[in-house]
Amino acid sequence: DQQVKQNSPSLSVQEGRISILNCDYTNSMFDYFLWYKKYPAEGPTFLISISSIKDKNEDGRFTVFLNKSAKHLSLHIVPSQPGDSAVYFCAATGIGDTGNQFYFGTGTSLTVIP
Amino acid sequence: DTEVTQTPKHLVMGMTNKKSLKCEQHMGHRAMYWYKQKAKKPPELMFVYSYEKLSINESVPSRFSPECPNSSLLNLHLHALQPEDSALYLCASSQDGTANSPLHFGNGTRLTVT
Repeated sequence: DQQVKQNSPSLSVQEGRISILNCDYTNSMFDYFLWYKKYPAEGPTFLISISSIKDKNEDGRFTVFLNKSAKHLSLHIVPSQPGDSAVYFCAATGIGDTGNQFYFGTGTSLTVIP
Repeated sequence: DTEVTQTPKHLVMGMTNKKSLKCEQHMGHRAMYWYKQKAKKPPELMFVYSYEKLSINESVPSRFSPECPNSSLLNLHLHALQPEDSALYLCASSQDGTANSPLHFGNGTRLTVT
């Protein structure tokens, strides 16, 4: 049962434009959300996070928005750069049956076209 | 460069072999994790060690045996694996294993079972 979903497996954006990556979750007990970026042949790299008590967190070109009522979060990258081309995973954390757990989405492959 | 180091980068083993994957971090993190990732899938949690004690085992078959010799090291001992165990094995650490403590991943070991 996939508790965190990224419904767009891929996204292409022109350099300089905004990239918007979306993520939906089903478990209302999740209280912390993260985005990871993964290049081929490397492990995921932590990008940005947001607590459930906030609805927005910004770090440079990256902004994460959280809509708790809709159980939806999004990552905005602006302006997009070719180096941003990677797979982006959203993740949610909370107390699961066996303790704190990270639940990962299925990933969105972003391609930024020069 | 990642602050979580995994060795080897690649491993090919037969179904009767015994091998070990190694992971090391020197960030003073007290929680360490093993994840398994298949192509085009999100990372799947296998084990969590918190303060050098196994805190989560996600119903992983006994042919995978984790070991945490100290707070900086995490091993995964492999024995009698099956071809379907071929995957990218990711090690991660976090500061204290709480839900809002981001994971820091290594670059993984690409395992092929023949």
